[in-house]
Amino acid sequence: GQQVMQIPQYQHVQEGEDFTTYCNSSTTLSNIQWYKQRPGGHPVFLIQLVKSGEVKKQKRLTFQFGEAKKNSSLHITATQTTDVGTYFCAGLTDSGGYQKVTFGTGTKLQVIP
Amino acid sequence: DAGVIQSPRHEVTEMGQEVTLRCKPISGHDYLFWYRQTMMRGLELLIYFNNNVPIDDSGMPEDRFSAKMPNASFSTLKIQPSEPRDSAVYFCAAGGATWTPLNTGELFFGEGSRLTVL
Repeated sequence: GQQVMQIPQYQHVQEGEDFTTYCNSSTTLSNIQWYKQRPGGHPVFLIQLVKSGEVKKQKRLTFQFGEAKKNSSLHITATQTTDVGTYFCAGLTDSGGYQKVTFGTGTKLQVIP
Repeated sequence: DAGVIQSPRHEVTEMGQEVTLRCKPISGHDYLFWYRQTMMRGLELLIYFNNNVPIDDSGMPEDRFSAKMPNASFSTLKIQPSEPRDSAVYFCAAGGATWTPLNTGELFFGEGSRLTVL
């Protein structure tokens, strides 16, 4: 079945450093979404990318969707302690006319003040 | 709208007991997803529904697991009999608010049900 992998699994950074997580799907995606889960919380939607090669920015966060629509990345510039949490990509695939959403393995970010 | 509501928030039970987890999705959302989260396996898709119809249950681990969605405002995930390896956080998520034929849009997650099977 479809697999969505993320690297790294864990990342510790000093506050102010940059952070990047990479997402790779075993199959071509129709769209990709990104979510953030705070410790003890539930995943919260950040953004959706639809087009091949698309780049979107949200303040210090930059999201990219690969040309082949099989990979994506999230880059955070100058991390802050509020960025702590686990970041998940979610690959959307067309499944018999319906849309299946498969989450990646996640990257847990710890920011050291 | 209060968002996706799950119950119970926490459940501790003994091996062999039946467990029923409940979800009240957001009205007007066509998709409902059940996920299981553990440290080892991350967020696993168990089953999803569209307009109350189960579309894909290939992620359901075993026959001990079953899910229903009798109407647009209620879904259940049942485990019978439960086993210690079923211990996890179970999330329900609603999607499809901006549904087009190939887009669920943003998924809204409930707070989750933390299940511990002793």
